[in-house]
Order: sequence, then structure tokens, then C-alpha cells
Amino acid sequence: GEKVEQHESTLSVREGDSAVINCTYTDTASSYFPWYKQEAGKSLHFVIDIRSNVDRKQSQRLTVLLDKKAKRFSLHITATQPEDSAIYFCAGGDAYKVIFGKGTHLHVLP
Amino acid sequence: AQTIHQWPVAEIKAVGSPLSLGCTIKGKSSPNLYWYWQATGGTLQQLFYSITVGQVESVVQLNLSASRPKDDQFILSTEKLLLSHSGFYLCAWDRGDAEQFFGPGTRLTVL
Repeated sequence: GEKVEQHESTLSVREGDSAVINCTYTDTASSYFPWYKQEAGKSLHFVIDIRSNVDRKQSQRLTVLLDKKAKRFSLHITATQPEDSAIYFCAGGDAYKVIFGKGTHLHVLP
Repeated sequence: AQTIHQWPVAEIKAVGSPLSLGCTIKGKSSPNLYWYWQATGGTLQQLFYSITVGQVESVVQLNLSASRPKDDQFILSTEKLLLSHSGFYLCAWDRGDAEQFFGPGTRLTVL
């Protein structure tokens, strides 16, 4: 079946540094790529998304890059803060169906 | 403002017993609705989605069923729980632009 692979299961960075989380997907029909954040024991919160008609989207400290040729997308967080520590999930799919990656546990160290 | 409510917050059930989980969205008419399951420490698996009352599409079969009896309500159920049903169940909605808003979740333990 179709997959979304999230490459880093754990990522540790120093506060103020940048963090990059990488994902790949298999379904060439995928057109929508959201990112969600989950804090321990809590639900998911939308972070940022990108659609297949663009290759870059930025929102404040967050940037998503999409390489359709390589079927790869990534989340870049600059100037990381302790409150960025959480599990980040990438996902890919279409309007109604999305497949999630396994999550990356981001630790922002003081 | 839209709010999403899930009930119950947590449930402990016996294997073989029935289950019904609920989700209600207030402040948004005709939302797209979704059910997800998350194994402890695991990723999310989309289970069902619904774009209108009375219509539910299954994404993966886990011996669960879903119904949308009202515009603002989404129900997940089974007649016989399995141990493998344990986990975190999340309901979500979107406005049609695919950005999903998740509810607080229901934590289910099957013993």
C-alpha cells in the first residue's frame, strides 16, 4: 500500500538552532502534505501544510519544502524554542484521505 | 468559534464488549469529519471519513464501524472489542480545505 516515511524518529537540537524533519511518500497522486504537532498525552495540532502546486511555504519560523520529483517533503524550524519540543507528524494524501508518518520526537535542549 | 468535543474522555472495557465513541462539532455546518486511531506511542491510522450526513467512507477495516446520524455528530462503534482496539481515538473536522482540527481524543483500554 501507499506509505509516508518519516526518516528521523528522534531529533535533538540546541535551543536557537534549526531543526529539519524529512519525509518521503510513495503515492504520486498525493497533493496535500500537512504537518501536525503532538505534545505528550495530548491531541494533535495543525502546524503547517503545503499543496502540490507549490514547492515552498513559510509561516514565521516554519518552512515546508516539497520536491515532487523526489517525492520528498521537509519541515524546517528555525530559532528553535523549548516549546517546540513535541512529536511532529508528517502526512500526505488528498482532500479526504491522508497517510501519516510515524512521527519525529523533537527535543530542544537548553 | 468552532469547538469539537469527544466522549468519553477515557474508557476501560473488556474484550468482547461493545463500544460507542462520540464526537460533536459545534459552530460549523456541514464539516468533513474523520476518525483516527493511534496505538500507544505509534502513528495515526485514518479509519473513516464523512462529508455529509448519513454517508461514511471506510479507509481501513479494524472491525469498527462509523455513522453520522446528524450533521454535527460522528459515532465510532463496534459490537465486540478486541485487545488490539486499545489506543487513542481522535475525531477531526475540516472546512473543506483539508486543514484538520482534532478533538481532545478518547483513550481506550481493552482488557
